[in-house]
Amino acid sequence: QQQVKQSPQSLIVQKGGISIINCAYENTAFDYFPWYQQFPGKGPALLIAIRPDVSEKKEGRFTISFNKSAKQFSLHIMDSQPGDSATYFCAPGGGGFKTIFGAGTRLFVKA
Amino acid sequence: DVKVTQSSRYLVKRTGEKVFLECVQDMDHENMFWYRQDPGLGLRLIYFSYDVKMKEKGDIPEGYSVSREKKERFSLILESASTNQTSMYLCASSQSVRKQYFGPGTRLTVT
Repeated sequence: QQQVKQSPQSLIVQKGGISIINCAYENTAFDYFPWYQQFPGKGPALLIAIRPDVSEKKEGRFTISFNKSAKQFSLHIMDSQPGDSATYFCAPGGGGFKTIFGAGTRLFVKA
Repeated sequence: DVKVTQSSRYLVKRTGEKVFLECVQDMDHENMFWYRQDPGLGLRLIYFSYDVKMKEKGDIPEGYSVSREKKERFSLILESASTNQTSMYLCASSQSVRKQYFGPGTRLTVT
């Protein structure tokens, strides 16, 4: 089975700080690299996604950085807020292959 | 707005019972998925369907079956529930293999 490794498992950040979550994958055929955000009692929802032809994508306070040669991509949350406290999943897929979800990162932003 | 609904938010069943979890999407999506979510393991794919009456096994299909008689409805069946099937079950739908829309989840407890 294709592996996806997400780190860290949990993260505590002060309000206003930067949260960084990393994801490593194996399948070089993947062509879609999303991050999902899940609040307690809810299903995951797509937060931001990137295609492999760009190295960075920014949407508001959320940025994906993509390193194709290292087979890694990361989520950066700038100016982290308590409302960002949630579980985040990377979920690379596409290119003819199923999506594989990472194990998740629980983020807690301290007020 | 996109909507995926699941028949129950919480369910308690006894060992050996047959359990039906239902999922309905209103987006006319071709693809539907069933995942289970366990702490530290992320989301694991049980079954998916890319068309009516079509189904494919995911990574952990043992002990489960599915039914898709109509495009908008995808059912997960636990033929004989066991305690190791206690989990959060998430349904998702998508038009492509990329962005998935999730329901709120069903927390199943088997005693």
